[in-house]
Amino acid sequence: GIQVEQSPPDLILQEGANSTLRCNFSDSVNNLQWFHQNPWGQLINLFYIPSGTKQNGRLSATTVATERYSLLYISSSQTTDSGVYFCAVGAQGGSQGNLIFGKGTKLSVKP
Amino acid sequence: DTGVSQNPRHKITKRGQNVTFRCDPISEHNRLYWYRQTLGQGPEFLTYFQNEAQLEKSRLLSDRFSAERPKGSFSTLEIQRTEQGDSAMYLCASSPLGQGTYEQYFGPGTRLTVT
Repeated sequence: GIQVEQSPPDLILQEGANSTLRCNFSDSVNNLQWFHQNPWGQLINLFYIPSGTKQNGRLSATTVATERYSLLYISSSQTTDSGVYFCAVGAQGGSQGNLIFGKGTKLSVKP
Repeated sequence: DTGVSQNPRHKITKRGQNVTFRCDPISEHNRLYWYRQTLGQGPEFLTYFQNEAQLEKSRLLSDRFSAERPKGSFSTLEIQRTEQGDSAMYLCASSPLGQGTYEQYFGPGTRLTVT
């Protein structure tokens, strides 16, 4: 099945710093989503981005489907950005039901 | 639109007992999914429904697990004869059908602890 790898696994930043999180996947996808999991376990949708570039405030994401990777950019980080960021993909030609998650990047933003 | 809701939010049970969780998807979302997440890992797919039809089940879904969506609206996930290894967060998600997107929206989860 499709493999999803996220890097780095852990990231510690000072407030105000910028960061880039990476997601590599091993096959063609028809769905790619970035989530932020808060301390209570809620998965918050950040981007639905199977291809192209999107921006939402301080966050932006780019997926290069032909090269099988996606990047999540966080600018001017805040302590509230802390948590785990997950990339999840749905395989092209797959069941259209099964999102495969990476292991996540744990972000800690220090004041 | 109130989003995906799940009940209960927390459940503590003794090994061997049966438990049932409920998920209410976003209204008019035809697809409903169940995932399980253990500590330090990403969520893992269990099963999904399109309307009332269960279209796919993961190998993770042992015979002790059963899911239903009888009227194509809410869904229940039952675990029979719980084991300590069933302790996890159980997440439900929903997505619309036929709008050119497969984007899934998650509920807050039910955290199960088996003692």
